[in-house]
Amino acid sequence: QVQLEESGPGLMQPSETLSLTCTVSGFSLTSNGVGWVRQPLGKGLVWMGTIWAGGSTNYNSAVQSRLSISRDTSKSQVFLKMNSLQPEDTGTYYCARQEGYWFAYWGQGTLVTVSS
Amino acid sequence: DVVMTQTPVSLPVSLGGQASISCRSSQSLVHSNGNTYLHWYLQKPGQSPQLLIYRVSNRFSGVPDRFSGSGSGTDFTLKISRVEPEDLGDYYCLQSTHFPLTFGSGTKLEIK
Repeated sequence: QVQLEESGPGLMQPSETLSLTCTVSGFSLTSNGVGWVRQPLGKGLVWMGTIWAGGSTNYNSAVQSRLSISRDTSKSQVFLKMNSLQPEDTGTYYCARQEGYWFAYWGQGTLVTVSS
Repeated sequence: DVVMTQTPVSLPVSLGGQASISCRSSQSLVHSNGNTYLHWYLQKPGQSPQLLIYRVSNRFSGVPDRFSGSGSGTDFTLKISRVEPEDLGDYYCLQSTHFPLTFGSGTKLEIK
């Protein structure tokens, strides 16, 4: 069955670079895109970016200058890298499988706290 | 960016009753290909969001027919009939017609 699992450091310092990994199973990254969605604590959902099945990417302009999404299809992994972290980047980060232009399956999320 | 205005913010309902959530977009969600990319999610407490409805009115696999979506253009509605305890949580609409993809601010469905 389709599964996605996020992994990452948990606690980051301001100005550091965040690296998250989404490991997927039950589908191929060359068949479905994967997006990243952030949820600040107690708040709503914000789309950050997507890497599509063909390998192209789209980013939210709000974070585009700091964000990079890439993948390793052989390992079924998608990577998020975001630099110049600030406390407002604190939240739960989800990866989700795209079904066309929407998210059909989500990971359980990984909490990232940015604090000195 | 397309602004998704979701109402109400909080929706007290009785078990067995009906709930209706509105989502309005700041511009038309009709894509140049003719499709309308408006979707609905439920996030239960402590869980990830789960897809309920995609492209306005299509129920995702395993979603009970108590959930129904409707609307067009800029005005969309999610209806839940015969509300059950497992329906409680935060509901979000998502538009994916325009970049950046944007979510509504959420509606908390709670017991009256």
